[in-house]
Amino acid sequence: DVKVTQSSRYLVKRTGEKVFLECVQDMDHENMFWYRQDPGLGLRLIYFSYDVKMKEKGDIPEGYSVSREKKERFSLILESASTNQTSMYLCASSLDPDSGTTIYYGYTFGSGTRLTVV
Amino acid sequence: KNQVEQSPQSLIILEGKNCTLQCNYTVSPFSNLRWYKQDTGRGPVSLTIMTFSENTKSNGRYTATLDADTKQSSLHITASQLSDSASYICVVSHNNAGNMLTFGGGTRLMVKP
Repeated sequence: DVKVTQSSRYLVKRTGEKVFLECVQDMDHENMFWYRQDPGLGLRLIYFSYDVKMKEKGDIPEGYSVSREKKERFSLILESASTNQTSMYLCASSLDPDSGTTIYYGYTFGSGTRLTVV
Repeated sequence: KNQVEQSPQSLIILEGKNCTLQCNYTVSPFSNLRWYKQDTGRGPVSLTIMTFSENTKSNGRYTATLDADTKQSSLHITASQLSDSASYICVVSHNNAGNMLTFGGGTRLMVKP
């Protein structure tokens, strides 16, 4: 089974701190994603990456940055955490269907990191 | 505007009963539709993935239907169990790469003994 592992289940940080959320996948997927999930708003895409060192802004990139130095790891960075960034953060990965391998529409999520900024 | 609307927002049923969750979408272009189950405090887990040409797909006690003409999908749960208590999220993909998704708000299902 594809595994997407997020390094922390729960985090509490102070306003203004720099926060790193780490995500690792073990199935050699090209695409990786960071979402946040808030009650009443559903899942919203922050950033995604379709290759090493490549990144694209999603719907709500403000206040966030990302890093993908290795294919298996996609990091979300809160440069200066604020209370409105308190949320559940979900990482996901998927195989690029244009890679020439089996067509695969799968999209696998990690278990999530619940971040509280105080 | 691309939208995915789910109903009902929440549902309570007795263990052993069946239920059907609805998903209506106005997404274009359409690539595929997925149903996910999300337990409280956990990440979503895929139940089914349906492409344009598929009308019905089953995964154990879960059966998803898709009507691409009316842009509606349903998830039917048979003989519900307590472990079915979760949020069920309908997700429509605009392309195969999976980087253009529209999420529904989810249906929170509670199965009572």
